[in-house]
Amino acid sequence: AQSVTQLDSHVSVSEGTPVLLRCNYSSSYSPSLFWYVQHPNKGLQLLLKYTSAATLVKGINGFEAEFKKSETSFHLTKPSAHMSDAAEYFCVGGEGGQNFVFGPGTRLSVLP
Amino acid sequence: ETGVTQTPRHLVMGMTNKKSLKCEQHLGHNAMYWYKQSAKKPLELMFVYNFKEQTENNSVPSRFSPECPNSSHLFLHLHTLQPEDSALYLCASSQGDESSLGYGYTFGSGTRLTVV
Repeated sequence: AQSVTQLDSHVSVSEGTPVLLRCNYSSSYSPSLFWYVQHPNKGLQLLLKYTSAATLVKGINGFEAEFKKSETSFHLTKPSAHMSDAAEYFCVGGEGGQNFVFGPGTRLSVLP
Repeated sequence: ETGVTQTPRHLVMGMTNKKSLKCEQHLGHNAMYWYKQSAKKPLELMFVYNFKEQTENNSVPSRFSPECPNSSHLFLHLHTLQPEDSALYLCASSQGDESSLGYGYTFGSGTRLTVV
């Protein structure tokens, strides 16, 4: 069975500095992987997705993620954090059927 | 708007009340889901409907009762809830077949439920 791990429950960065949110997955074969963002009291919004095409995936709001099969990782990055990036970020994996596995989430704080 | 609409946005109910949450999508999706999001807990999948048939019920208490009259509408009927049921209830939809793997979910904005 697939599992998704987000190593950090909380990440804090200063505005203008790089963001790295880590995600590792376990799967018997190449999964589909997603990053979602949730702002306070809002639903989840899709940031980007990997579906076995290019391993470097670009998403909205300047975020990107790289699928590394050898490391079973799909870390989310952004070169320069903005105050509006403060939110909860979820890594999600899909392996079979229509159900997906959610990571526990990483809360990103952006300091002025 | 994402294409998945949830109403109401906020709901406060007493433990003896009966209320319903509504979810609506016009994306042509065939699968719909209810998730519960509690503070400091991972997202919990509650119910899955695929082509209007319930395909998963993750040991949810019977005080939560889903209804899916068609592939565009999903309800969650609530009765005699407990304070620990207070949470954000999220509805999502997807293609409902293997192509979902490429598209993921589309989520609604959620209903913030408070049980008093």
